[in-house]
Amino acid sequence: GENVEQHPSTLSVQEGDSAVIKCTYSDSASNYFPWYKQELGKGPQLIIDIRSNVGEKKDQRIAVTLNKTAKHFSLHITETQPEDSAVYFCAASYTGNQFYFGTGTSLTVIP
Amino acid sequence: DTAVSQTPKYLVTQMGNDKSIKCEQNLGHDTMYWYKQDSKKFLKIMFSYNNKELIINETVPNRFSPKSPDKAHLNLHINSLELGDSAVYFCASSPGTSGFEQYFGPGTRLTVT
Repeated sequence: GENVEQHPSTLSVQEGDSAVIKCTYSDSASNYFPWYKQELGKGPQLIIDIRSNVGEKKDQRIAVTLNKTAKHFSLHITETQPEDSAVYFCAASYTGNQFYFGTGTSLTVIP
Repeated sequence: DTAVSQTPKYLVTQMGNDKSIKCEQNLGHDTMYWYKQDSKKFLKIMFSYNNKELIINETVPNRFSPKSPDKAHLNLHINSLELGDSAVYFCASSPGTSGFEQYFGPGTRLTVT
């Protein structure tokens, strides 16, 4: 089955700096790659996603890049703010019925 | 309006008991899921239902039985609870064939003593 690895497990940045979280996947059949933000005591919230026919997608301060050849994708957050502090998860899927999640990155934005 | 709701939010029970967690989505989605998040925050899918039919059943003990009375509901029943079942359980839904975007519920924190 699919195996998704996520790095780093923890990340601290100064407010205003950029944060990058990286994920690799093993199954070349995977074609959908979402990113979720989980705040304390809440469920994961979809923040951005990308399909395998696209190399990059942006939504305001958040962007995701995908390298199908290398089987890795990354989340980029620019101009970080304290409210960006949360746990971020990447995931991979090829059917929409089965999702494989990374192990999470705890992001802390220091004011 | 809550898109995906779960009840209860907290559940404390003793070993050996049977308990249920309910999930409802008002998004008109075709696919619903149950996930388990352990103490290390690792998210693992347990079940996936599409239009009330079981699609994915990961390696989950038989003590866990999902039930989907209709497309908008997916309940999780757990028999003979064990200490290791303590975790946060999340329900989620997605459009299905028209889209894979998942929306998660707020979670149910289950503590087995």
